[in-house]
Amino acid sequence: NAGVMQNPRHLVRRRGQEARLRCSPMKGHSHVYWYRQLPEEGLKFMVYLQKENIIDESGMPKERFSAEFPKEGPSILRIQQVVRGDSAAYFCASSPGNIQYFGAGTRLSVL
Amino acid sequence: QQPVQSPQAVILREGEDAVINCSSSKALYSVHWYRQKHGEAPVFLMILLKGGEQKGHDKISASFNEKKQQSSLYLTASQLSYSGTYFCGTEYNNAGNMLTFGGGTRLMVKP
Repeated sequence: NAGVMQNPRHLVRRRGQEARLRCSPMKGHSHVYWYRQLPEEGLKFMVYLQKENIIDESGMPKERFSAEFPKEGPSILRIQQVVRGDSAAYFCASSPGNIQYFGAGTRLSVL
Repeated sequence: QQPVQSPQAVILREGEDAVINCSSSKALYSVHWYRQKHGEAPVFLMILLKGGEQKGHDKISASFNEKKQQSSLYLTASQLSYSGTYFCGTEYNNAGNMLTFGGGTRLMVKP
């Protein structure tokens, strides 16, 4: 059973471009969470999704950020018109309902 | 509100013991402990549910004091592989929701 797969591992974007981060949950897991981590800090919750539904997006900025978890395919975190402050590591976790298992993260650098 | 972890950092010699604390200002449903090595995914260690239980595997154990709204992680006879940053993630209800993580405790084990 493969773990949580995130790609790309590293992503470089110029200010104003779009960033798309992908997360494939572990087999059988229907819950997906996205977290953001700045260097030397803890993980900050962004959004919680189940298949085709956003359950809780209280941690997501109101503008430029969106997330989806379609019926088929990976969960996508999309950041439009990136700014330097969006530079961070973005982690996805999947869960069968209790324990969350994390992917290796996508490190986004905005130039 | 983010749980508070203490200490922020600790340096040990191989074979020494350590205790990491996680305190919340809100009533807890569960506490999840993770270890993260630099540049890697957080790895799940254990979950403690409401009920004041104590859990452990190998030489790592944890307790959950519901009344004091805190959990402690105990590392005994530390090994070099224990080095990393330890995070507690707290859950305030049983809605399968996001975890609120503490700021982390950096542990370094030296030979």
